[in-house]
Amino acid sequence: AQTVTQSQPEMSVQEAETVTLSCTYDTSESDYYLFWYKQPPSRQMILVIRQEAYKQQNATENRFSVNFQKAAKSFSLKISDSQLGDAAMYFCGYNFNKFYFGSGTKLNVKP
Amino acid sequence: NAGVMQNPRHLVRRRGQEARLRCSPMKGHSHVYWYRQLPEEGLKFMVYLQKENIIDESGMPKERFSAEFPKEGPSILRIQQVVRGDSAAYFCASSPPNRVHYNEQFFGPGTRLTVL
Repeated sequence: AQTVTQSQPEMSVQEAETVTLSCTYDTSESDYYLFWYKQPPSRQMILVIRQEAYKQQNATENRFSVNFQKAAKSFSLKISDSQLGDAAMYFCGYNFNKFYFGSGTKLNVKP
Repeated sequence: NAGVMQNPRHLVRRRGQEARLRCSPMKGHSHVYWYRQLPEEGLKFMVYLQKENIIDESGMPKERFSAEFPKEGPSILRIQQVVRGDSAAYFCASSPPNRVHYNEQFFGPGTRLTVL
């Protein structure tokens, strides 16, 4: 079965602090990529970061970075220096022919 | 280059009516995907289409739902005889024709369907 698990339905972080969102997945494919999307109240899906499964180096995009553990099928997102605008739903998943999404983590940012 | 366009953004239907959701992919993209997001849930794959072909419809409900992507014009997701459980946000995504299984998909803004 192709599944994506986000075990944290909701998390909170203080502004300027660091938070890590967890994600595990299960696929038998070898060539795919992983992603994190942000969905603010507008519901627009915004790509935060992506990681090709064949790359060992963890992807980084400004304040966002991932910890990709391929053997463990783990793909966590770290947000550094959290800002109020980071508050949103965050969905992780992977892409092979189609997107497989987790159920999401709601991130609250406290001023 | 305009992004993926979906219309309408909001659609209200009464039970038993038909809902038609439209998606215009990005220029040069020949692959379209439809996803459904129920309240408080993630996006779930419904169907994958290329021009005039349905490639994968494994996520489509067996009845009342259909999708097409004609040679000309937008892709259409059609829901016949809507029920309250169809209320959801429906997202369309498109991707270019090369390296299909690995392509990034670009999402539209979604259509929020409300069934009264």
